[in-house]
Amino acid sequence: ETGVTQSPTHLIKTRGQQVTLRCSSQSGHNTVSWYQQALGQGPQFIFQYYREEENGRGNFPPRFSGLQFPNYSSELNVNALELDDSALYLCASSLVSRANTEAFFGQGTRLTVV
Amino acid sequence: GQQLNQNPQSMFIQEGEDVSMNCTSSSIFNTWLWYKQDPGEGPVLLIALYKAGELTSNGRLTAQFGITRKDSFLNISASIPSDVGIYFCAQPPIQGAQKLVFGQGTRLTINP
Repeated sequence: ETGVTQSPTHLIKTRGQQVTLRCSSQSGHNTVSWYQQALGQGPQFIFQYYREEENGRGNFPPRFSGLQFPNYSSELNVNALELDDSALYLCASSLVSRANTEAFFGQGTRLTVV
Repeated sequence: GQQLNQNPQSMFIQEGEDVSMNCTSSSIFNTWLWYKQDPGEGPVLLIALYKAGELTSNGRLTAQFGITRKDSFLNISASIPSDVGIYFCAQPPIQGAQKLVFGQGTRLTINP
């Protein structure tokens, strides 16, 4: 068990709606990254938060946004949901001071857009 | 952008067999990470490699950082049913950066 927890585990939304996913990072970690994993694919980097600010972003539109809180937990918000947003959303926490990258993932939130 | 190609995409083996899979990168970087993902779960870090030629074991799993620095190999010896899952290689695109680029995965199925 990684100590990274995500909620909810499953979610069904209608196209056009908005959704908020939550992540609690592992104790001692100060960085949270979000990934989208479509069925049969590897995870794709959405963005990362460090010290409550966005610290790098992948190829995702602005309707994907996030927050990091002082306790290092994080939210992923997606506006104007599209059918293609259906995926497993993964949160990963890490310690930015480490010289090498070891990210630890939560169990994910399965989002279905209908 | 950086691409990671994993081979094979899927494997069907008998319990007890050894497994070998690999990952190649379009660029040279200093880190290889191997993850395993069970159905409905997030990826779990298996092995991290930080130096060309490095060979690291974790129980029945052994991974090597290729000498060319563009490839890595993961071997599983004496496979058991709980080895079933999807194995991903991953790299940070910039040294020390926290975001990871993943391969497309190798799906392992084991017949008892």
